[in-house]
Amino acid sequence: LAKTTQPISMDSYEGQEVNITCSHNNIATNDYITWYQQFPSQGPRFIIQGYKTKVTNEVASLFIPADRKSSTLSLPRVSLSDTAVYYCLVVDYNQGGKLIFGQGTELSVKP
Amino acid sequence: DVKVTQSSRYLVKRTGEKVFLECVQDMDHENMFWYRQDPGLGLRLIYFSYDVKMKEKGDIPEGYSVSREKKERFSLILESASTNQTSMYLCASSQFSGVQETQYFGPGTRLLVL
Repeated sequence: LAKTTQPISMDSYEGQEVNITCSHNNIATNDYITWYQQFPSQGPRFIIQGYKTKVTNEVASLFIPADRKSSTLSLPRVSLSDTAVYYCLVVDYNQGGKLIFGQGTELSVKP
Repeated sequence: DVKVTQSSRYLVKRTGEKVFLECVQDMDHENMFWYRQDPGLGLRLIYFSYDVKMKEKGDIPEGYSVSREKKERFSLILESASTNQTSMYLCASSQFSGVQETQYFGPGTRLLVL
């Protein structure tokens, strides 16, 4: 059965690159890995999604190694406005397409 | 822009009351979801619906029911509220019938059951 593990919290300073890793064992070979961002008093919003290797958009990059047992969300040059909770999401087709969210990583960006 | 709205941002109810949480999306999405969010537990799926009048149980359906009479509206019902249902409730929708489709979330309803 698939399970996700993320660090509970991370601290960073403005201008730094932040990497948040989600471990997800036992996901099926055709699962996508998705990351969401949640600001206080708001619902989560989609950041990025990938299947393998590397995906980049205007907000972040997502690195997925060949074994797909983890994925790393990379935020380049964070600012104070990147302070949020970040969730990974995988779909476990071995459990009939069950959605599995990570517990979330609370990122705090300091000036 | 997709808009998902939830009927209340904050709600206070008493134990045993029947509670209705309403969610409306304006983009003609097929799928709609109800999650609860608790500290340290992340988001847990309660129910989802892939079409009008269709529903599927998620991870924690006990104590909840849902209704989807119209495509744009998905209601979560707590038949008899209990204190352990105090939580943040999030509604989401996605365009197509595929669990890996991007989900668009509402702002959430923070429910307190006394």
